[in-house]
Amino acid sequence: DTGVSQDPRHKITKRGQNVTFRCDPISEHNRLYWYRQTLGQGPEFLTYFQNEAQLEKSRLLSDRFSAERPKGSFSTLEIQRTEQGDSAMYLCASSTRDYRDEQYFGPGTRLTVT
Amino acid sequence: GDSVTQMEGPVTLSEEAFLTINCTYTATGYPSLFWYVQYPGEGLQLLLKATKADDKGSNKGFEATYRKETTSFHLEKGSVQVSDSAVYFCALSAVDTGNQFYFGTGTSLTVIP
Repeated sequence: DTGVSQDPRHKITKRGQNVTFRCDPISEHNRLYWYRQTLGQGPEFLTYFQNEAQLEKSRLLSDRFSAERPKGSFSTLEIQRTEQGDSAMYLCASSTRDYRDEQYFGPGTRLTVT
Repeated sequence: GDSVTQMEGPVTLSEEAFLTINCTYTATGYPSLFWYVQYPGEGLQLLLKATKADDKGSNKGFEATYRKETTSFHLEKGSVQVSDSAVYFCALSAVDTGNQFYFGTGTSLTVIP
């Protein structure tokens, strides 16, 4: 068990550019979550997958955001036409199907939009 | 909707002092409750959890009891150490919300020698 990994750890981009982040969950976990955390706030839910199916999306997830988990393993989060307001830490987490179980978080990808 | 309200910080304590961080929740179902900790420069780590009323979660000297009657899950530690300096997040998860977590805003704790 190597834990949840995310790549890259830091990304600096110019406004208007597209960015893509990757998350590799714990291998036996079939649920994968994306959260966004801004300074001084707790993580906010963006979307989650059960296996390859995207089951829920937050209203925070504008149409510039898209997430995939094509084979039910790793996931990608793409932001198109980035805006300065997208600057945040993007967190990935994975868990089993049981709501009583904890989510295991990756180290996050810090996005800075200039 | 489901939500978590957490005591605002920052909190500064002297080493060996008693710690309480308050957390209350609103949920339509029967949530599981969690405390996560974020040390400087690190990711979120589970500190403890409780999955039903009156359960007590404990780890590393920290404790929290799931109180359904007061909808609370306050974090306590009898004697804090400098190494406990971190940001603490209360969170809930409920089966009717797809297992997504709702987090509080976090409480920053600094312990001084």
